[in-house]
Parts: sequence; structure tokens; C-alpha cells
Amino acid sequence: AQSVSQHNHHVILSEAASLELGCNYSYGGTVNLFWYVQYPGQHLQLLLKYFSGDPLVKGIKGFEAEFIKSKFSFNLRKPSVQWSDTAEYFCAVKMNSGYSTLTFGKGTMLLVSP
Amino acid sequence: DVKVTQSSRYLVKRTGEKVFLECVQDMDHENMFWYRQDPGLGLRLIYFSYDVKMKEKGDIPEGYSVSREKKERFSLILESASTNQTSMYLCASSQSERVASYNEQFFGPGTRLTVL
Repeated sequence: AQSVSQHNHHVILSEAASLELGCNYSYGGTVNLFWYVQYPGQHLQLLLKYFSGDPLVKGIKGFEAEFIKSKFSFNLRKPSVQWSDTAEYFCAVKMNSGYSTLTFGKGTMLLVSP
Repeated sequence: DVKVTQSSRYLVKRTGEKVFLECVQDMDHENMFWYRQDPGLGLRLIYFSYDVKMKEKGDIPEGYSVSREKKERFSLILESASTNQTSMYLCASSQSERVASYNEQFFGPGTRLTVL
């Protein structure tokens, strides 16, 4: 079975610092990759996704992620975080083969101090 | 605007009670999912459905059942609630892979269930 590993459970940054959240997955075949974000008290929502093509994908609110197939990684980045980025971030993987479900990582709680 | 709604934001039940969590989506999606979210464990899939009256077990189905009588509605049932089922329950929906391979999941606001 596939699995998803997020490297950090908690990250604390000051505003304007750069962010990189690690995500690795275990499945060897073709995958679809997602980052979801959950702001305090809000729905889980999609930040960005990768299906094919350019491995550098850009999402909402200045976030981007790079798919490195050889490393089974899909790390999330943002050059300069804001206090409003405080949230929990989830990486998710879907096997690109017929019907399959999302496997989520355990999440990374990001706290940005003003 | 896509919408997944869940019947309750907060629910408190007693051990042994039968609990129904309802989820409705208005996007005509074929796929619907139930997850539970626990601190440090992320989201874990309980059950999912690819069509009306169809259900498949996810990773942690024990103690739960589901019902999908209509396309837009997917219910999660706790036959006899226990304290270890205290959690946040999230419903999601997505288009069928037959319609769109780029089928992201859309989530509801969640139901925080406490079992005493």
C-alpha cells in the first residue's frame, strides 16, 4: 500500500521567512499529487496539484511545489510567509490508475509569528 | 460555487448510541468519501462510494457503516458509538474518473463528534 510521509509535524516561522515543507511518498507508479491546506476553523481546501507536465506547479497564495520523481518527493515552498499562512498543511497522493483513493500524510502545522 | 455540507458542526453522543452523520453535495459528483481527522494522524479514509448504492471500505472501516441511496447524499453510521470514535469527521466528493482524471476532492466543514 502506498504511504505519504511529511517530515515535520510542527513548523514555527517568523513573517517573511521562507518555507519548505517536505513530502515523500512510497508508490512506484504514476501518481497524482496534492497539497491541501486547512486554515483555523475552515474547510480543507486545495492549495495545488500535479497531474503531469511541468514538475514545478504553482498554487494559490504564492505557494508552489516541485515534483521530483527520482526522489518520490513533492515539497511545498513559499518564498516569504505571512501571518495568514498559519494553518495545517496536508500532502496527498493518488495512484493514477483507474479508481483509486487519496492517501494523506499526517499533516504539518505551520505557525507564523508576526 | 462547489459545496459539500454536513448536517452538524458539533455533536455530542453517549456510548452505545447509534449516530448518523449526513453529507450532501450539490456538484453532481459520483464519488463521495468519509474521513476521520485526528491530531498527529492526518486524514484516514473510512468508506467511500463511486456510485449510488455502492460502497467500498477504506483504511479504517471497523465500527462504521455507510449508506448512499441518492447521488447527492452519503451517510456515515456509527452503529454503537464508542469513546474512541471521538473525532472530526470530514466528508468529501469528487467527479468520477470516467468524467475527469483531474478529479480533486472537495471537502465539507467537518463534524466534531464527542462520544461520552
